[in-house]
Amino acid sequence: GAVVSQHPSRVICKSGTSVKIECRSLDFQATTMFWYRQFPKQSLMLMATSNEGSKATYEQGVEKDKFLINHASLTLSTLTVTSAHPEDSSFYICSARGLDQETQYFGPGTRLLVL
Amino acid sequence: AQSVTQLDSHVSVSEGTPVLLRCNYSSSYSPSLFWYVQHPNKGLQLLLKYTSAATLVKGINGFEAEFKKSETSFHLTKPSAHMSDAAEYFCVVINYEGSQGNLIFGKGTKLSVKP
Repeated sequence: GAVVSQHPSRVICKSGTSVKIECRSLDFQATTMFWYRQFPKQSLMLMATSNEGSKATYEQGVEKDKFLINHASLTLSTLTVTSAHPEDSSFYICSARGLDQETQYFGPGTRLLVL
Repeated sequence: AQSVTQLDSHVSVSEGTPVLLRCNYSSSYSPSLFWYVQHPNKGLQLLLKYTSAATLVKGINGFEAEFKKSETSFHLTKPSAHMSDAAEYFCVVINYEGSQGNLIFGKGTKLSVKP
C-alpha cells in the first residue's frame, strides 16, 4: 500500500519550453501532496504544498509563476516548470500524505535536464 | 522550532557488521520522527516512524530506531549490514509550527558497505 508514482522519470528539454510532471497516489487518496527539489548530494528542499481543490502554498524563494502546481483530484498533482532554463535542471520528487495525516510517501522522482 | 541533526555525513561499515546512524532532534513538543532511505537516483522509502507509542520502533529490512527523550536522540541501527543497505539515509521530523505539517530533513548520512 501507499504507492506514489511520478511521470516521466526522466525528461530532457530545450531551454524555453515547459515541462509537466505528474504525481499520483495509486492506492490511497491524498488531500495534500508536496513537491521537492533535490540538488546533487544534498537533502530535499520543499518547494510547495499542494492541497486538493485549492491553491498551492509555496515556500519562500520559489516562484509560483515559474513552478505551476495543480492538484485537481485526490490522487493527482502536477508540477509544470514553465519556460525552463538550464538552472532548473534538477531532481524533482513529490510526496503524498497518507491517511494518518503525518507520514509522507514519496514518488520515485523525475530527473529534468534543460539544454 | 523543530530540527534534526544527523551527526555523520558518511558512515562506512563492513558487510555483516552493525550499523549505527545517529540523529538528534530539537522539538518544543512531542515529535513525530521518521527515517527514510534513498538509493541513487531514486525517491525516498520510509524505513520507520515514531509517533509517541513504543520508544523502540522496528522498521523494514531489519532496521530499528530508539527514541530517547533524555538524549533527544533517534538513532537508526541494524545488527548486520548488507551490501544492499548502501544508500543515503535521512532523519526527518514533522514541523507543525505555522505550517501544514511539513517535513524537516536532516542533511543525510551516506552509508557505504564494504565487502
